[in-house]
Amino acid sequence: DTEVTQTPKHLVMGMTNKKSLKCEQHMGHRAMYWYKQKAKKPPELMFVYSYEKLSINESVPSRFSPECPNSSLLNLHLHALQPEDSALYLCASSQGTYGELFFGEGSRLTVL
Amino acid sequence: AQKVTQAQTEISVVEKEDVTLDCVYETRDTTYYLFWYKQPPSGELVFLIRRNSFDEQNEISGRYSWNFQKSTSSFNFTITASQVVDSAVYFCALSEGNAGGTSYGKLTFGQGTILTVHP
Repeated sequence: DTEVTQTPKHLVMGMTNKKSLKCEQHMGHRAMYWYKQKAKKPPELMFVYSYEKLSINESVPSRFSPECPNSSLLNLHLHALQPEDSALYLCASSQGTYGELFFGEGSRLTVL
Repeated sequence: AQKVTQAQTEISVVEKEDVTLDCVYETRDTTYYLFWYKQPPSGELVFLIRRNSFDEQNEISGRYSWNFQKSTSSFNFTITASQVVDSAVYFCALSEGNAGGTSYGKLTFGQGTILTVHP
């Protein structure tokens, strides 16, 4: 079983909805990440949090808003999304800056 | 800019065959890290191996083995005696290191190779 837990596993939302994706890890990792993966494509980095501070934002549109309430939790708040935002959203964590990433199973988002 | 190329889009084999997944990378850094991840249909990316640029030792883990050659900028992955459970998408990835230690999880992924193992 994965040690990075993501909820919900599936989410369908309209373009005017507000929803959130949640991620939790209990491995004591200090870095957490959001990746976006479109079908048949590799994952693309969205955000990196290090020690609960946002350290990298890969020019992600403001309709995606990350939040790191504590070292174990990572949220991604969604608002006014577009159909092209439909994708698998993967959360990951790592122990250090060069360490391997441990991924969750992802949240599959469909925007109608 | 760094780049990872997995030339094989799809590979299909019969169980018990050996299969090699190719990965070629480009980077200007002298310090970097290479990874292989497996993504089964469930969606989770499963970490398989990390290799840093100073360690060219090949590695074997059960049926899996990796061949790292800096001279050809390749980091190939071989599955011996493949099994149906090996069916997945396999990604090779590169992370550049730097003195400031800010590369974090900024992985550059290859396009992935879809491996299908038939019974």
